[in-house]
Amino acid sequence: ETGVTQSPTHLIKTRGQQVTLRCSSQSGHNTVSWYQQALGQGPQFIFQYYREEENGRGNFPPRFSGLQFPNYSSELNVNALELDDSALYLCASSLSRGGAYNEQFFGPGTRLTVL
Amino acid sequence: GEDVEQSLFLSVREGDSSVINCTYTDSSSTYLYWYKQEPGAGLQLLTYIFSNMDMKQDQRLTVLLNKKDKHLSLRIADTQTGDSAIYFCAESGPRGGYNKLIFGAGTRLAVHP
Repeated sequence: ETGVTQSPTHLIKTRGQQVTLRCSSQSGHNTVSWYQQALGQGPQFIFQYYREEENGRGNFPPRFSGLQFPNYSSELNVNALELDDSALYLCASSLSRGGAYNEQFFGPGTRLTVL
Repeated sequence: GEDVEQSLFLSVREGDSSVINCTYTDSSSTYLYWYKQEPGAGLQLLTYIFSNMDMKQDQRLTVLLNKKDKHLSLRIADTQTGDSAIYFCAESGPRGGYNKLIFGAGTRLAVHP
């Protein structure tokens, strides 16, 4: 069973550009969540996808968007990059069975630097 | 509002116990978690506790929950150098959604000989 993988590992962009980050969920998982972790801070929830539909969103502007594919892999897209978007972006997958608790398994993250 | 606070740094000697503390503000928090993050790695769930419990023990880890004071602690017995990492307290509940984890800023644990 493979764990959660993310690509790329590191990325450097300039202000105003667009970026796409990718996540492969753990086998059998149908839910993916994305978090932004700024340097020295805890992760902040961006949004979650369940069976290809957005299922909750944190306090992030619309230029942060996502997709989940039929194989439950996912993308995070950020448009019009700003310097403050520099962070570690974490993806977490889980198997939602309808109960309240579903353990989330985190990937190693993508480190995005915006210059 | 949603807020989870932790002390930023803890230094302990190898073999001693470590206690990492956390406070939270959401009284509806249902699950409280401890995650570990090592350099270059994602988050690893160490343990979690349901809000109707006041203690949970798992090998070297003991979690204490004081729901009245909204205080959570993680005790690591016989701390080893491999325990050096950043430890995050997190909560989830019906207000934010059970799958939306609210994290603290993390406590950096340094273990020295």
